[in-house]
Amino acid sequence: DIQVTQSPSTLSASAGDRVTITCRASQSITTWLAWFQQKPGKAPRLLIYKASTLESGVPSRFSGSGSGTEFTLTISSLQPDDFATYYCQQYNSFPYTFGQGTKVEIK
Amino acid sequence: EVQLVESGGGLVQPGGSLRLSCVASGFTFSRYWMYWVRQAPGEGPMVVSVINTDDTYTRYADSVKGRFTISRDNAKNTLYLQVNSLRAEDTAVYYCARDSGRALGDLPHWGQGTLVTVSS
Repeated sequence: DIQVTQSPSTLSASAGDRVTITCRASQSITTWLAWFQQKPGKAPRLLIYKASTLESGVPSRFSGSGSGTEFTLTISSLQPDDFATYYCQQYNSFPYTFGQGTKVEIK
Repeated sequence: EVQLVESGGGLVQPGGSLRLSCVASGFTFSRYWMYWVRQAPGEGPMVVSVINTDDTYTRYADSVKGRFTISRDNAKNTLYLQVNSLRAEDTAVYYCARDSGRALGDLPHWGQGTLVTVSS
């Protein structure tokens, strides 16, 4: 199975900050990587697919980059609605594994 | 609008069984691969199983293989997950999810989830 590892596990930031989350895959997944946002009690929401393509309706302050084994999610200017937990997911091969999550907290 | 509504969760003793259901609406159900994804408390999601459009191809995570069975009824727009021989570690919210149609494993559509608690 392909393992995906996120860092950091927790991130404290203020509104307006630029935030970057990293995801590493245990082997190359080319660009078969997605990023999700999840709030308590809700299902995950797809933000980015194919490493860098913004899902319809997602604000442009979210962006993704990377290929192979290293990927990043960047929020250019953190908004109050963005405090949540973020997951990366590889869908290069089954089982389609998720990272352990990065919780973005208010500083 | 795509809607996925799960049901069938609950409290069950170790070794017990449940049948989870997911009723789909707002799209042509028979054209999409479907998934069950679970999330244990405090953990990241995990794809449990996948099924193709006509129920001729299924796959399972190693941790549930031989105990869980995914199926679908395209006439009823319904996805199922039969969960048997339940263990404490199966405690989780179970979501059904729909494929995007762009690539397998690309999951933009999720239901609200149904909670399965395995405890004596």
